[in-house]
Amino acid sequence: AQSVTQLDSQVPVFEEAPVELRCNYSSSVSVYLFWYVQYPNQGLQLLLKYLSGSTLVKGINGFEAEFNKSQTSFHLRKPSVHISDTAEYFCAVPTGGGNKLTFGTGTQLKVEL
Amino acid sequence: KAGVTQTPRYLIKTRGQQVTLSCSPISGHRSVSWYQQTPGQGLQFLFEYFSETQRNKGNFPGRFSGRQFSNSRSEMNVSTLELGDSALYLCASSLERARDTQYFGPGTRLTVL
Repeated sequence: AQSVTQLDSQVPVFEEAPVELRCNYSSSVSVYLFWYVQYPNQGLQLLLKYLSGSTLVKGINGFEAEFNKSQTSFHLRKPSVHISDTAEYFCAVPTGGGNKLTFGTGTQLKVEL
Repeated sequence: KAGVTQTPRYLIKTRGQQVTLSCSPISGHRSVSWYQQTPGQGLQFLFEYFSETQRNKGNFPGRFSGRQFSNSRSEMNVSTLELGDSALYLCASSLERARDTQYFGPGTRLTVL
């Protein structure tokens, strides 16, 4: 079964510094991969998704992710973070047919001044 | 377009009671999925409905049930509430396929006392 692993539960970073949030997936077939963000007391919002084609995917709010098949990774990056990026970030993959998503355990990004 | 709406936003119940949560998807979306989010278990898939039929089901006891109406609105019901059912319940709507973006509502925060 397909799944995703988020290697870091918390990532502290100073404002304007770059950040990378790591996600590894397990699958032997073609995958779709998603990154969602959850701000406090809100639902999830799609940041970006990989379906096929270019391995570098650009999303909203200046985030991007690179699909790496050989390393089975889909890490999320931002070159310069802002205080407003403080949130929890989830990597997800469709599993089991239909629109079921399996989520990683989440990475709490805390941006400090 | 209006986003996914969930009602109520907050709910307090006591053990043994039952509860019904409602979700109105984005206009034109026929798929509605439900997720439970807790600090200990993270985001877990409950079930998905597509065109009034349950298309996928997660690993939850039979106390958790749902349905979808002809206008795609969905409800989920939890009977005989337990303390462990305290969670944020998220609803997501999408068009049809696994590659389609799922749009999440703000969630219903259920507290069981």
